[in-house]
Amino acid sequence: SAVISQKPSRDICQRGTSLTIQCQVDSQVTMMFWYRQQPGQSLTLIATANQGSEATYESGFVIDKFPISRPNLTFSTLTVSNMSPEDSSIYLCSVEKGPTSYEQYFGPGTRLTVT
Amino acid sequence: DQQVKQNSPSLSVQEGRISILNCDYTNSMFDYFLWYKKYPAEGPTFLISISSIKDKNEDGRFTVFLNKSAKHLSLHIVPSQPGDSAVYFCAFTGGTSYGKLTFGQGTILTVHP
Repeated sequence: SAVISQKPSRDICQRGTSLTIQCQVDSQVTMMFWYRQQPGQSLTLIATANQGSEATYESGFVIDKFPISRPNLTFSTLTVSNMSPEDSSIYLCSVEKGPTSYEQYFGPGTRLTVT
Repeated sequence: DQQVKQNSPSLSVQEGRISILNCDYTNSMFDYFLWYKKYPAEGPTFLISISSIKDKNEDGRFTVFLNKSAKHLSLHIVPSQPGDSAVYFCAFTGGTSYGKLTFGQGTILTVHP
């Protein structure tokens, strides 16, 4: 199984600022996913990040608010821009188990609080 | 538009008894179904899955049942153990969304010793 780490594990930020979350995988993967879990809610897919191409965003999420980088096959970043309290959530990255599997491995998450 | 519903936000079970978690979905394009377990301060961990060509899949204490006509998915844990206490999410993929998981709202399972 893939081992995924995220940095930071948690942060408290002021509104109007931006935070970049890093996701590192211990093996090369084609697709990486970014999810958000708002308080008391389910996990919602923000975007899919493939190396060498622009991220694909889900309905309700835009690149200006959540820019994503995918510089290589083991690393990705998600930036939460111009934050408001509504952005307070757990942000998780995940990777597919394999090219023929729908299972995903998840990182431990980044707990973001915006004041 | 909630495509996936876990109608029970919480479930409390005695150790050794069966835990049954349920999930309903509306998107008939879903054809691969998964269950994840999540402990506080950790990411979700994959438990068990089932494809639409099956109606049951077992892995140790965990069994997943799929009723496609009713668009209903369930997870049975037997016997339940205190270490099973966690939030359980059903997740779905299929159709034009292959590779992308749609999650239910989660059910908090508490197993009492």
